[in-house]
Amino acid sequence: QKEVEQNSGPLSVPEGAIASLNCTYSDRGSQSFFWYRQYSGKSPELIMSIYSNGDKEDGRFTAQLNKASQYVSLLIRDSQPSDSATYLCAATNAGGTSYGKLTFGQGTILTVHP
Amino acid sequence: DGGITQSPKYLFRKEGQNVTLSCEQNLNHDAMYWYRQDPGQGLRLIYYSQIVNDFQKGDIAEGYSVSREKKESFPLTVTSAQKNPTAFYLCASRDSFTYEQYFGPGTRLTVT
Repeated sequence: QKEVEQNSGPLSVPEGAIASLNCTYSDRGSQSFFWYRQYSGKSPELIMSIYSNGDKEDGRFTAQLNKASQYVSLLIRDSQPSDSATYLCAATNAGGTSYGKLTFGQGTILTVHP
Repeated sequence: DGGITQSPKYLFRKEGQNVTLSCEQNLNHDAMYWYRQDPGQGLRLIYYSQIVNDFQKGDIAEGYSVSREKKESFPLTVTSAQKNPTAFYLCASRDSFTYEQYFGPGTRLTVT
């Protein structure tokens, strides 16, 4: 069973701090990785995609990928109360019979307190 | 304005009734997906379709059916055979180049 696991949380950080969200995956064939943000009662919103080892920055968000360690992380700098949400990590093995199916982690609840 | 629409937003049904959830996209994506999310749980794949007139079962297809007659549309029917149909249903479509999946706003189904 191919799995994606996230740090269990919930995670609570003060406003202005760095929030660090972590994810590991079991399928070594996974090639593409995604972070979604889901506010309570809403659908997931894609916030970051990463495909190669290293860091990828977009505004206050930085995604990090280490394929050798099968590890993906998301850093949120200068955390704001509006960042309070559930963050979902997802991975896909784009080739073979997976047809681009995403495997999702269970999610990490982040609370940013003023 | 490109995106994915799902209707209705809320749906209430009695046990034993079939119900069809609508999903439409104008992103010109070939692949579309249906997921189910239960409170405090992750997303589970129900059905997916790579192209018109073709679809495959996901991890929890029992009690569900789909059709894909048009590229833009991928309706999901929740049948009376589905044991626990009350859930949040999410439709998504996938960019063929980036593999990014984009979600619709979801339909919250309650069966009593």
